[in-house]
Amino acid sequence: TQLLEQSPQFLSIQEGENLTVYCNSSSVFSSLQWYRQEPGEGPVLLVTVVTGGEVKKLKRLTFQFGDARKDSSLHITAAQPGDTGLYLCAGYEGKLIFGQGTELSVKP
Amino acid sequence: GAVVSQHPSWVICKSGTSVKIECRSLDFQATTMFWYRQFPKQSLMLMATSNEGSKATYEQGVEKDKFLINHASLTLSTLTVTSAHPEDSSFYICSARVLAANTGELFFGEGSRLTVL
Repeated sequence: TQLLEQSPQFLSIQEGENLTVYCNSSSVFSSLQWYRQEPGEGPVLLVTVVTGGEVKKLKRLTFQFGDARKDSSLHITAAQPGDTGLYLCAGYEGKLIFGQGTELSVKP
Repeated sequence: GAVVSQHPSWVICKSGTSVKIECRSLDFQATTMFWYRQFPKQSLMLMATSNEGSKATYEQGVEKDKFLINHASLTLSTLTVTSAHPEDSSFYICSARVLAANTGELFFGEGSRLTVL
């Protein structure tokens, strides 16, 4: 069974701080996605990483895919209250498997 | 991005009744749709993969007779929770993959919150 371990599961920080969320697995994935979900809504795709070592930037968000395609990280610079939400990593190998999620709260 | 619509967005029903949730891809065709279940403050758990024109593939531990899935067209999949009980109360989310994409990117519906009294 493929598993994705996401950490931390909860994170509460002040506006302006930086943070990193990690997503680790013992399995290799052909691609990995990061989603953001707000309460009562479905997840929204942020980014897909495909190539080992790939780095993608989305404004203040930086996503990295590990060289072995088993792990990924999401780094947010100068977090803002609007970044508050549930961040989910998901690995794809025929089907999409989600990590446990990281509940991020950014306080003004 | 592609749009996936779910209906209803919330439903309250009595124990023992059946509830149908629809998932539609509005601007693309999807041979494969996925149904997830999510409990409060938890991640998404894959329940089943819905394949157009064939039987759904259920994940281990998911009762196929309890959660009936039908994927009759390239734009519609339905999930029917049969004889619902309070423990079936949850947030159900469908997703679809664009035909040409092979990277696993999914577009999600808005979710359907089911409350069984």
